[in-house]
This record gives sequence, C-alpha cells and structure tokens, in this order.
Amino acid sequence: AQSVTQLDSQVPVFEEAPVELRCNYSSSVSVYLFWYVQYPNQGLQLLLKYLSGSTLVKSINGFEAEFNKSQTSFHLRKPSVHISDTAEYFCAVSEIKAAGNKLTFGGGTRVLVKP
Amino acid sequence: NAGVTQTPKFQVLKTGQSMTLQCAQDMNHNSMYWYRQDPGMGLRLIYYSASEGTTDKGEVPNGYNVSRLNKREFSLRLESAAPSQTSVYFCASSEYGPQETQYFGPGTRLLVL
Repeated sequence: AQSVTQLDSQVPVFEEAPVELRCNYSSSVSVYLFWYVQYPNQGLQLLLKYLSGSTLVKSINGFEAEFNKSQTSFHLRKPSVHISDTAEYFCAVSEIKAAGNKLTFGGGTRVLVKP
Repeated sequence: NAGVTQTPKFQVLKTGQSMTLQCAQDMNHNSMYWYRQDPGMGLRLIYYSASEGTTDKGEVPNGYNVSRLNKREFSLRLESAAPSQTSVYFCASSEYGPQETQYFGPGTRLLVL
C-alpha cells in the first residue's frame, strides 16, 4: 500500500514571491506521481504528472515538480505566484502495475496568495 | 462537451435516510471513481469501476454501494445515512490505466443531520 504526505497544510505567500509545496510518498512498488489543483468550489484538475524520463516536469502555467527517487519526493514549485494561484494542491500516486488507476492522495496544501 | 457531471450539487439528509448520487461522463472513458473529501484528509477512494461491468472497493467503502449503469453512468448509494458521511463527494473518470489523468466532476456537498 502507498501513502502520501504533504508536509504543509497551509502556505501563505505574497504575490510574485516563489512557493514550494512539499510531497513525500511511501510505496513498496514503483509509482506514477501527480499534482492536482482544486480552485475554490470546483473539482480537481490535473496540474502535472511524472510518468518516466526527465525527472523535472512542467505545467503550462509556470509550475514545475521534480521527482527524487532516493528521497521519495515530488515537490512542486513556482518561481513567481499570482493571485489566481490561490487554491488547494494535492499530491497523488498510483502503482505502475495496478489495474485501473487507483490514486492515493495526500492531505492537501492550501495556498493563499496575498497582494 | 460537459465532461463529468454530478447531481445533486447539495443535499441535506436526516440520519437513516437513503439517497443516490448520480454521475455521468461524456468522454467515453472506461474507468470511473467515487471519492469523498474531508478537511485535512485529501480525497479517499470509496469505490471504483475499472471498466463497464466491474466495480471494486476502495479505501472507505463501508456504508456505500455503487452501480455502473452503463459506460457513461456510475451512481453512489447511501442506504442509511450517518453523520459521519457528511462530506463532499467527487466523481471522476479516466481512460483505463494507472498513468491516465482523472477528470473530476464539480462535487456534491452532503450534510447528514
């Protein structure tokens, strides 16, 4: 079984400042890694995912995450945040050889961007 | 193209009442899922259907039942609601496979008194 830990439940940050959201996972098998974002009063949507290849993956809106196998981490970063990045961010994993796509989520990190 | 739709958006139940949450997707996805979201706990999988005709338990199935009515529709039923089932419920769908992106509906807020 897998588990996902998001170390920060809330992260306040000023507009145009950088932000890092930490995610660590535990699994006895190889996993795929995902970051989902939930804007207020909406469902979740995919931000980015790591399947294979380059350990640095990027989203279209400036976020990036790096897979570190030795530290079992998949931290999310953005060098300069906007007010519109205010949301809750969820890290998730799925077993590579699993049937279907059963995601295990972390507890979430609320990002509040202040002007 | 509506994506994943859920009904109702909000519901209040009394303890012991039953209800069915409806979910439909128009993306021709094989797999569908039901999650519940509680503060600080992220999303937890209740049941999933890897393909039409199959359903399996997730992490927190007790007190729930599901029906994969056809490829488009996946319903979640609470037979006898309890206050512990107060939560926000999300339906999602995806292509078959652990690497696939899940697409989520807007959620149903359920309050059990």
